[in-house]
Amino acid sequence: ETAVFQTPNYHVTQVGNEVSFNCKQTLGHDTMYWYKQDSKKLLKIMFSYNNKQLIVNETVPRRFSPQSSDKAHLNLRIKSVEPEDSAVYLCASSLQGANTEVFFGKGTRLTVV
Amino acid sequence: TQTVSQSDAHVTVFEGDSVELRCNYSYGGSIYLSWYIQHHGHGLQFLLKYYSGNPVVQGVNGFEAEFSKSDSSFHLRKASVHWSDSAVYFCAVSATGNTGKLIFGLGTTLQVQP
Repeated sequence: ETAVFQTPNYHVTQVGNEVSFNCKQTLGHDTMYWYKQDSKKLLKIMFSYNNKQLIVNETVPRRFSPQSSDKAHLNLRIKSVEPEDSAVYLCASSLQGANTEVFFGKGTRLTVV
Repeated sequence: TQTVSQSDAHVTVFEGDSVELRCNYSYGGSIYLSWYIQHHGHGLQFLLKYYSGNPVVQGVNGFEAEFSKSDSSFHLRKASVHWSDSAVYFCAVSATGNTGKLIFGLGTTLQVQP
């Protein structure tokens, strides 16, 4: 049963617009993540937070910014989207770091036209 | 730098067949290895992981994986597949310690034919 909730499921927008994706986990986990999955299923870590602190920030364009209000929420904002941002964005959480089981949400599919 | 290689992009078998999905890793330190499954239109789900001890680990739904340090491998196996096992399987590695990231392979799409 899904315990990592992402909204929206799908989003279509035009180049240059700003989008925000929400993620909430109800598992009481300390660590949350955003992954990007492209059309070839390639998964890349974008950001990780542990107890609201940013611990991983991969080489991601500056138009991407994570927002953590508390341990249970990790949102992702993209300012001025580009066509290459079209992908599925997967939010995830784990009890304590990536060495414990990671639970994933169903993803938000972004299409930039 | 950690890398994960899944040599087979696609594997097709018949229901009831056994299957092995291959995973090789590269990392000089102590690591965790895991497998995740992704059904179409869904997020990933954890299958199993290995850190130390018995090199054969059991997971959910009859899956198991075997760690080999000499081969730098962590292959996933199932003795008898079901059509519902059709999905994309990802091997992943993470460094020990409170790290913030899983490094995934490119995935293997398993298609189980009736």
